[in-house]
Formats: sequence, C-alpha cells, structure tokens
Amino acid sequence: GENVEQHPSTLSVQEGDSAVIKCTYSDSASNYFPWYKQELGKRPQLIIDIRSNVGEKKDQRIAVTLNKTAKHFSLHITETQPEDSAVYFCAASRGTGGFKTIFGAGTRLFVKA
Amino acid sequence: GAGVSQSPRYKVAKRGQDVALRCDPISGHVSLFWYQQALGQGPEFLTYFQNEAQLDKSGLPSDRFFAERPEGSVSTLKIQRTQQEDSAVYLCASSPQPASNQPQHFGDGTRLSIL
Repeated sequence: GENVEQHPSTLSVQEGDSAVIKCTYSDSASNYFPWYKQELGKRPQLIIDIRSNVGEKKDQRIAVTLNKTAKHFSLHITETQPEDSAVYFCAASRGTGGFKTIFGAGTRLFVKA
Repeated sequence: GAGVSQSPRYKVAKRGQDVALRCDPISGHVSLFWYQQALGQGPEFLTYFQNEAQLDKSGLPSDRFFAERPEGSVSTLKIQRTQQEDSAVYLCASSPQPASNQPQHFGDGTRLSIL
C-alpha cells in the first residue's frame, strides 16, 4: 500500500544551525507534498508545501525540495531558533484518483539554545 | 475568523461504550477529513467528505467506526463498542476545495482514552 517514510525520527541541533528532514513516498501518483509542524498538545499547522511541477520552494528560513524521479522530498530549516522545536510531519497526496493524505511518522526536532 | 473546532477535547470511556466526536469545520469548506493519531505517530487517514458525500472511507479500521456529515458542515465520528486500541487523538481537518491536494486546516483534536 501507499506509505511515506520519514527520517530521522529525532533531530537535535544547536541554535543557529540548519536542520534537514527527509521523506520518501511510494505512490507515484502523488502530486502534493505538505509539511506540518505540531507543538506538544496542539494542532498540526502547515508550514510549507510543494507541488509536483516544482523542484524547490522557499519561504524565509524554510525550504522544501522535491525529486520526483527518486520519490524523495526534504525540509530544510536554516538559522534554527528554540521556537522551531516541535514535531514535523511530511505528507503526500494525490489530486485525482483518491482522497487520502499519507503522513510520515514525524521528526521530533530539538533546538538547543 | 474561527478555525476548525472539535469537541470534546478529552473523552474517557469504558471499554464497550459508544462515543461520538464532533467536528465544526471552517465555514464554507467543502472538504472534511478525519484522522486517528496514535501517540508518537503521524495522523492516519480515516475518511473523507466532500460536502455531505462520504467519498472515501477506506481508512476506517472496522465497522465499529462510522462518520457522517448530513448537511455538509458539522461532522460526527462515532465509535461503537469501544476497545482499548481505539485510544488515540482524533483529528479533524477541512479545506476549501474539493480535493486532497490542498492545505488542510486542523482542529485541536479529541483525545480519547478507553479504560
């Protein structure tokens, strides 16, 4: 079945360093790849997304890259801050032929001050 | 404006009881999704509504799970004869467009504990 694998499960960085989280998806029909940030006990919130017709997208300190051939996409956070500490989820979904969004298992990011 | 609202925030039930979880999506949002999130895991898709039509229920784990959205706005997820493995956070999300490849707006979830 469809799945999304996410690595690493835990990531600890020093404030100001960069953090990279990687995901691989199995459904070649996926064409939308969002990233959500979830703080403890709170709702997931969209931080950035990318569609399959684009290879890279950037929003201030956050960027996402997509390699459709390898079915691989990554989240890059630069100049990390303590408030970036949270769990990050990647996800993949199709536009047609299905309504599921498949989430990765999450990466717990710790930014040490 | 108001976001997605879920109630109750916490629910404790004894094994075998029935429970009903409510989701108020953002007004005018066509799409509504239900997810189950186990501790330390990502959300797992349960079901999808486009207005009042349940177009995908492939993620419902058993026939004890039932969802409805009769007027195309508020949705209810019902779990009958609850089991301990049903303990999880149940998240609802909505989006304005009739497709899954759009940003979803999540509620805070209902944390269900089955004793």
